[in-house]
Amino acid sequence: NAGVTQTPKFRVLKTGQSMTLLCAQDMNHEYMYWYRQDPGMGLRLIHYSVGEGTTAKGEVPDGYNVSRLKKQNFLLGLESAAPSQTSVYFCASSYPGGRPNSPLHFGNGTRLTVT
Amino acid sequence: QQQVKQSPQSLIVQKGGISIINCAYENTAFDYFPWYQQFPGKGPALLIAIRPDVSEKKEGRFTISFNKSAKQFSLHIMDSQPGDSATYFCAALYGGSQGNLIFGKGTKLSVKP
Repeated sequence: NAGVTQTPKFRVLKTGQSMTLLCAQDMNHEYMYWYRQDPGMGLRLIHYSVGEGTTAKGEVPDGYNVSRLKKQNFLLGLESAAPSQTSVYFCASSYPGGRPNSPLHFGNGTRLTVT
Repeated sequence: QQQVKQSPQSLIVQKGGISIINCAYENTAFDYFPWYQQFPGKGPALLIAIRPDVSEKKEGRFTISFNKSAKQFSLHIMDSQPGDSATYFCAALYGGSQGNLIFGKGTKLSVKP
């Protein structure tokens, strides 16, 4: 049982380049999330999805786009990478609510460096 | 209103000691307070959680204490072990928020042998 799988694990981009981070979950979860983690800043929500074909903005959505074409996949895109987007990106999934019987399940992250 | 303030930022405890991490919130609509544990190179994972109608919840060596009137909650790790060395995040959730947890900034715990 793989859980939440993120690809790639590491990536280095030059300023202005684009890339897509892929998140796949095999738990049939409705909800999926993209967070970024920066030192001293905790986990900040970028975008989230409550179902196939739906997406919504989180706390820090600028510079990112997302798509949820299939229930099991949630893609995070950077159209024109900036050094401020250097971070560790985490994908998570859950059943609706994030409540005691539906905790967030996180992947192991993608470490992105933008030079 | 939407923030969860977590302290300390880092914590060093001797093996066998008690680790205490504190969080405070302002939004009284929050009705679920989980703690997530993150080991280096891994994603966070749910450790323990509490609802505001309970003042304490214990699971093994981990205890959440909740003070609704003060809008504060804390994680206590009894008999801390080197294997507990990790980053701990408190979080809060309110009904209708579509599962969007509000996370604290995290506490890096180091347990020295």
